[in-house]
Amino acid sequence: LAKTTQPISMDSYEGQEVNITCSHNNIATNDYITWYQQFPSQGPRFIIQGYKTKVTNEVASLFIPADRKSSTLSLPRVSLSDTAVYYCLVGYSSASKIIFGSGTRLSIRP
Amino acid sequence: DAGVIQSPRHEVTEMGQEVTLRCKPISGHDYLFWYRQTMMRGLELLIYFNNNVPIDDSGMPEDRFSAKMPNASFSTLKIQPSEPRDSAVYFCASSLRGQGYNEQFFGPGTRLTVL
Repeated sequence: LAKTTQPISMDSYEGQEVNITCSHNNIATNDYITWYQQFPSQGPRFIIQGYKTKVTNEVASLFIPADRKSSTLSLPRVSLSDTAVYYCLVGYSSASKIIFGSGTRLSIRP
Repeated sequence: DAGVIQSPRHEVTEMGQEVTLRCKPISGHDYLFWYRQTMMRGLELLIYFNNNVPIDDSGMPEDRFSAKMPNASFSTLKIQPSEPRDSAVYFCASSLRGQGYNEQFFGPGTRLTVL
């Protein structure tokens, strides 16, 4: 049974690097892993996507180990405005299923 | 592009009434998704369409819920009859051909309250 699991909450401080990990079993070779950010009263917003090794864009990095059973979103030098809920999403192509994790509530302190 | 458009933004209704939520995806996007979000259950996929055809509706709670996509630029999610436990924020999202169903663009959501 496909499942996407992530920690419920995390706390950090401004200027620190934050790593949020997502576990996803039964992931297939071509299944993509995507991360979203959500602020209160808004829809989720795309952050980054990948399916192997490492992907980096202007706001985050995504690390995916060889077995692909987990992935880590890395936010460098967070600020107060990064306080939000972060969701991991996997599209399980073999089952035509799309499963969001339960979300990680990230709180950044001054 | 204006992004994904949802209407209404807020809906308050009484138990037993029919509710219709509307969505206009981004032009050119082949996939359309309906989600429900609550504090207790988080973000749940209800149904998604590819080229106007429903692909997976296993997330639709029960027969009271139905979704249609009569053309590439419009979709509806209907609840009939509505119940208080249907109170939630309903999001519509769309994604581009060739990128599957992962890089989704979400609308602002419809906050539904059933009294």
